Amino acid sequence: KQEVTQIPAALSVPEGENLVLNCSFTDSAIYNLQWFRQDPGKGLTSLLLIQSSQREQTSGRLNASLDKSSGRSTLYIAASQPGDSATYLCAVVETSGSRLTFGEGTQLTVNP
Amino acid sequence: NAGVTQTPKFRVLKTGQSMTLLCAQDMNHEYMYWYRQDPGMGLRLIHYSVGEGTTAKGEVPDGYNVSRLKKQNFLLGLESAAPSQTSVYFCASSYWGGAYEQYFGPGTRLTVT
Repeated sequence: KQEVTQIPAALSVPEGENLVLNCSFTDSAIYNLQWFRQDPGKGLTSLLLIQSSQREQTSGRLNASLDKSSGRSTLYIAASQPGDSATYLCAVVETSGSRLTFGEGTQLTVNP
Repeated sequence: NAGVTQTPKFRVLKTGQSMTLLCAQDMNHEYMYWYRQDPGMGLRLIHYSVGEGTTAKGEVPDGYNVSRLKKQNFLLGLESAAPSQTSVYFCASSYWGGAYEQYFGPGTRLTVT
């Protein structure tokens, strides 16, 4: 059974800092990996989707990398801002199906 | 373009009552999903559908039923609510399965007393 782990569970940084969020998964037979953002009391917003054949994806200040063989992905946030404060979740889709398996998320706080 | 919408936003039920949660999407997506989110357990898949008229079980299907009579709608039913079903329920959709992004609704917060 696929398991997805995110470390750390919570992170607090000063504004302007560059930071890295980590995601690991136990079964490397994945179709893709997706990073989401969740604001308190809200739904999930898709940030980046990396296909299994890709090494990274970029969107603005966000860069996500994928190392399928080692079962790891990172989300890099450059020049963090207070508006980046949210919970970030990663999820993997296994090659056997279309279902996502989620990690529990990293709660990020960016302090002004 | 409203994306994925869910009704109701909040609901309180007594043990044994029934209710239906409605999910609607206007993106012409084939795949739709129901998740529940609980503290310490993350998001878990309840049921999903790969097209109109189809449904399949996810990770935690017990106590729930679903129907996809129309492509744009996916209904989640609780026949006899239990306190263990207190949770936040999210609906999601994607164009065609795992290769595509999933888009989420705003959630329904359900409390069963």
